[in-house]
Amino acid sequence: QKEVEQDPGPLSVPEGAIVSLNCTYSNSAFQYFMWYRQYSRKGPELLMYTYSSGNKEDGRFTAQVDKSSKYISLFIRDSQPSDSATYLCAMTNFGNEKLTFGTGTRLTIIP
Amino acid sequence: DADVTQTPRNRITKTGKRIMLECSQTKGHDRMYWYRQDPGLGLRLIYYSFDVKDINKGEISDGYSVSRQAQAKFSLSLESAIPNQTALYFCATSDPTGGLNQPQHFGDGTRLSIL
Repeated sequence: QKEVEQDPGPLSVPEGAIVSLNCTYSNSAFQYFMWYRQYSRKGPELLMYTYSSGNKEDGRFTAQVDKSSKYISLFIRDSQPSDSATYLCAMTNFGNEKLTFGTGTRLTIIP
Repeated sequence: DADVTQTPRNRITKTGKRIMLECSQTKGHDRMYWYRQDPGLGLRLIYYSFDVKDINKGEISDGYSVSRQAQAKFSLSLESAIPNQTALYFCATSDPTGGLNQPQHFGDGTRLSIL
């Protein structure tokens, strides 16, 4: 079983919809959680970075962490065609430079 | 200009050849990392370096070596390439001045194919 599970999709939604992307994990020591966006032929770009449980909002993006359920989510409001990309979750524990990544979810926003 | 630059962007080579992938950064970050990305496996850490004199193995270092020539430069070598090293390779950096567990910033990758 992988340490981090992420539904690979693909996920297609109409423009303007709310998108929910999720990851589950098994290592209860994980405390730092990240969401990266990766466009085709480009490197991962950091979107959200959160510590421990709770919510963090940045514009149309909200990251949510539920450590009790070992479940993290990224919500995208008012989705745009430019949000079409692969979204990667990543996480690690305190003092560990090694990030554990999910396999990524490919998202397409249909105009 | 990109903060993290990887060269070459694409490379096709043959089994047994020695290959070097290069990474340079203008972010002034001390920490640098090499990852490979494979479909269905995600990103996996090959090597990382906290400064010029510090090199550490990641989870999949076998068959790879690295060199940290300067704060801004971190190279990955495949001494004798094999087909299962065909993958996307990414370099990343992070800034330790904010403490541990700082976010990592990625270059645009090198697509490597080994025939």
